[in-house]
Amino acid sequence: SYVLTQPPSVSVAPGQTARITCGGNNIGSKSVHWYQQKPGQAPVLVVYDDSDRPSGIPERFSGSNSGNTATLTISRVEAGDEADYYCQVWDSSSDHPDVVFGGGTKLTVL
Amino acid sequence: EVQLVESGGGLVQPGRSLRLSCAASGFTFDDYAMHWVRQAPGKGLEWVSGISWNSGSIGYADSVKGRFTISRDNAKNSLYLQMNSLRAEDTALYYCAKGRNYYGSGSCFDYWGQGTLVTVSS
Repeated sequence: SYVLTQPPSVSVAPGQTARITCGGNNIGSKSVHWYQQKPGQAPVLVVYDDSDRPSGIPERFSGSNSGNTATLTISRVEAGDEADYYCQVWDSSSDHPDVVFGGGTKLTVL
Repeated sequence: EVQLVESGGGLVQPGRSLRLSCAASGFTFDDYAMHWVRQAPGKGLEWVSGISWNSGSIGYADSVKGRFTISRDNAKNSLYLQMNSLRAEDTALYYCAKGRNYYGSGSCFDYWGQGTLVTVSS
C-alpha cells in the first residue's frame, strides 16, 4: 500500500515561514491535499490539488508537489496556525482506490 | 452553510454492532461523494469508507473491509455506516466528510462534521 511520510513536528517563530513536507513514491504524479486540525476540532481543508486554496483560506498557505515530495508552506506564521497538519492522496495502485493520509505534523509556533 | 451532523456513537462491547448516521444540509447532497474518516485517541486520521453520489462506487479501508458497510439515502440527505464485529481497535472519533466533487482518485474532503465517538470495550 502507498505510504505518506511526514515529519512528526516542525517549529517556527512567528512571522517566519514554515514548510511541512509529505514524502511518497512519485507523489508528484498524484493530487495532494492538506488539512489543518486544531485541538478538539475537526480537520479543515487548507490546500487541494497540490496548490489551490479553498475560499476563506489565507494566501499565506500555499502548496507544491514534485518528484517524491509535496510541501505545504505557511508564510508569515501566526500563533493561530499552531495545529496538526495532514497530507492526503488517493492510492490507485490496486484494483480498489484507497484514500491515504500522512501521519501528521504538529506545527509549533515558538 | 454546509452542515454535517454525526450521531449513533457510544460504548459497545467487542463483537457487537453499531450504526452511525450523518445528517447533511446546506448543499445538494446527491451531487457529491461522501466519506467516513476516523481518528483514534491521540492518533492521526484514517479513511474508513467512501461512497459516490449514486452509490455506484464504494470503497473501504482494508482494516474494516467485510465488517463495515457504508450507505446513503439521498431522499433523506443522510449517510450511514453499519459497523459489525467491532474490535477494540475500532475505538475512535468518526467523522463524516463531504467529497469536494467526484468519488475517486484526486478528490478531497472539503467539509467535515464534528464527529461521533465510538468506544469498543468490555
